[in-house]
Amino acid sequence: AQSVTQPDIHITVSEGASLELRCNYSYGATPYLFWYVQSPGQGLQLLLKYFSGDTLVQGIKGFEAEFKRSQSSFNLRKPSVHWSDAAEYFCAVGVSGGSQGNLIFGKGTKLSVKP
Amino acid sequence: DTAVSQTPKYLVTQMGNDKSIKCEQNLGHDTMYWYKQDSKKFLKIMFSYNNKELIINETVPNRFSPKSPDKAHLNLHINSLELGDSAVYFCASSPETGTEAFFGQGTRLTVV
Repeated sequence: AQSVTQPDIHITVSEGASLELRCNYSYGATPYLFWYVQSPGQGLQLLLKYFSGDTLVQGIKGFEAEFKRSQSSFNLRKPSVHWSDAAEYFCAVGVSGGSQGNLIFGKGTKLSVKP
Repeated sequence: DTAVSQTPKYLVTQMGNDKSIKCEQNLGHDTMYWYKQDSKKFLKIMFSYNNKELIINETVPNRFSPKSPDKAHLNLHINSLELGDSAVYFCASSPETGTEAFFGQGTRLTVV
């Protein structure tokens, strides 16, 4: 069955430090992969997506993610975190075909930023 | 202009009541979803519609009934509300199934 694992429930980083949020997926075919961010009381905003091609994808707000098929991973990175990046981050895999057609989400990683 | 809008944003109601949440998208997408986010922030698909046809109906009590009058709208009706239905419900749309989804702001449902 398809699934997404985000091993870190909560991460705290200092402002200006680099960030990496981990995501592993389980899916039989070539996946569509996504990272979303959710600020408190808000909906989910798409940060970036991977469909095919270059395995390093750039997103909004200075985020990037790298698809590694051999590790079934799609980790999110940012070189320098800003206080406004504090939020909940969700990794997702898109499934389609047959009786399926939706995004499956990981359980999320809460990011806190220290001044 | 809001791409995916859902109303109301907050809904407080008593057990046993029937309520509806409305969702509209102006992106021209073929696929729409309802997700439930629980108190631990876990997002779980409830329903998926493609071109007004139901393609996913996860293990959701039949008290929940989606209605898609046209491709731009997907409403959620809930009968006989229970305390455990309290959650945030998100509507979303995609150009096609499994591709990037655009989310509404959510409806926080509180059943008392």
